[in-house]
Amino acid sequence: SFEVTQPPSVSVSPGQTASIPCSGDKLRHKYVCWYKQKPGQSPVLVIYQNDKRPSGIPERFSGFNSGTTATLTISETQTMDEAEYYCQAWDSSSVVFGGGTKLTVL
Amino acid sequence: EVQLVESGGGLIQPGGSLRLSCAASGFIFSTYSMNWVRQAPGKGLEWVSYISSSSSVIYYADSVKGRFTISRDNAKNSLYLQMHSLRDEDTALYYCTRDSSGFSYDYWGQGTLVTVSS
Repeated sequence: SFEVTQPPSVSVSPGQTASIPCSGDKLRHKYVCWYKQKPGQSPVLVIYQNDKRPSGIPERFSGFNSGTTATLTISETQTMDEAEYYCQAWDSSSVVFGGGTKLTVL
Repeated sequence: EVQLVESGGGLIQPGGSLRLSCAASGFIFSTYSMNWVRQAPGKGLEWVSYISSSSSVIYYADSVKGRFTISRDNAKNSLYLQMHSLRDEDTALYYCTRDSSGFSYDYWGQGTLVTVSS
């Protein structure tokens, strides 16, 4: 079955660039999207179709899909970016989420 | 303003049944595919089911296939999830989501909590 893998945690200093990978051997032909979730809140879409930003999402958020790894990049990271981030992809008739990456800004 | 409001969650014994509802507003419900996504306490996101705008295409996660049924009533702007033979591992916050470009979910409800326990 199709799976995507994320590291459990990533740390970054304020003002630096954070990169969160999402790996899977079938990502080449799939759209990947990313969600941000803060504790006690519903997830928010931050990237769709690999690299598109929904309205209202800061330009600091960007995405890229190399074919085997999709990456969410957050430039000039701020403390408000601290959250859990999930990648997601669609495979034939099912949707797969990564296990989530806790981004710590310190 | 797009709103998705889930309801119907609660405490249910293993083997029991429950029906979740999602009331949609602020958009033309009949033109969007919809999904249910769940999140167990302290865990990650898990997709549960998908239904196309006209209900002609339906998909389920293997973990719920044969036990859950997704449906919608476009006249009532509502999405449903009928759950049977509930198990402890079905305990989760169940979110209603709107399908957007590339099978991404641009709007999520606040979730309704289902607790399966004896």
